[in-house]
Amino acid sequence: GNSVTQMEGPVTLSEEAFLTINCTYTATGYPSLFWYVQYPGEGLQLLLKATKADDKGSNKGFEATYRKETTSFHLEKGSVQVSDSAVYFCALSPMNYGGATNKLIFGTGTLLAVQP
Amino acid sequence: DAGVIQSPRHEVTEMGQEVTLRCKPISGHNSLFWYRQTMMRGLELLIYFNNNVPIDDSGMPEDRFSAKMPNASFSTLKIQPSEPRDSAVYFCASSFLQLNTEAFFGQGTRLTVV
Repeated sequence: GNSVTQMEGPVTLSEEAFLTINCTYTATGYPSLFWYVQYPGEGLQLLLKATKADDKGSNKGFEATYRKETTSFHLEKGSVQVSDSAVYFCALSPMNYGGATNKLIFGTGTLLAVQP
Repeated sequence: DAGVIQSPRHEVTEMGQEVTLRCKPISGHNSLFWYRQTMMRGLELLIYFNNNVPIDDSGMPEDRFSAKMPNASFSTLKIQPSEPRDSAVYFCASSFLQLNTEAFFGQGTRLTVV
C-alpha cells in the first residue's frame, strides 16, 4: 500500500542552524510528493511539492528533492529562523491509473522548535 | 477568496450527543476531504468527495460517522452518538480534481467529547 514515514521529533535547533527532516515513502508507480507545514492553532499549508523523479521543490528557503532510487523526499533548510517553528508533514498523492486522483496520505508529522 | 471555512472552531459536547461539523470549500474546487488529527494516530483521511460524490470512505472509523456533500459549496461530518475517543481536531480540505494539485486546508474544528 501507500505510506509515508517521517523522522520522529521533536527537532530542536538554534537559530541559523541547518535543518534536515527525513521522509521516505512506499507507493506504486510515480506518486507526487509534498511537504506541508502547520503553525500552532492553524490548518496545514503547502510548503513545496515535486511531481516527478529528480524534481526539486523549493519555497521560503526550504527545499526537497524527489529521489525515486531511495524513495525519499527529505526537507532541508540552510539557516532556520524562530518563525520556522511548526509541525512539518510529508505527504504523497498516489498515482491512479484509473483516472485523476488527488488523495493525500500524510506522515505523522515532525515538530520543529527553533530557539533564539 | 476566504479559503476553506469550517465551523464551529471549537465544540465541547457530552458523550452520546450528536455532533455536526461543517465545511465550505473554496469556490470552484471540486474535491473535498475530511481529515482527523490526534496525537496518537496523526492525520487520518476519513472520506473524500469528487464532484459531490463520495469516492473513498474507507477511513471512516465506524457507523457512528457519516458525511454528506449536498452541493459543491457545503459538506457536513456527523458523529452520532459521540464518544470521548472521538475527541480530535477535524480538518476539511478542498482542491481541484487533477493530478499533482495541492489541497487547501481549513483551520479545523477542535472537538472535545466529555
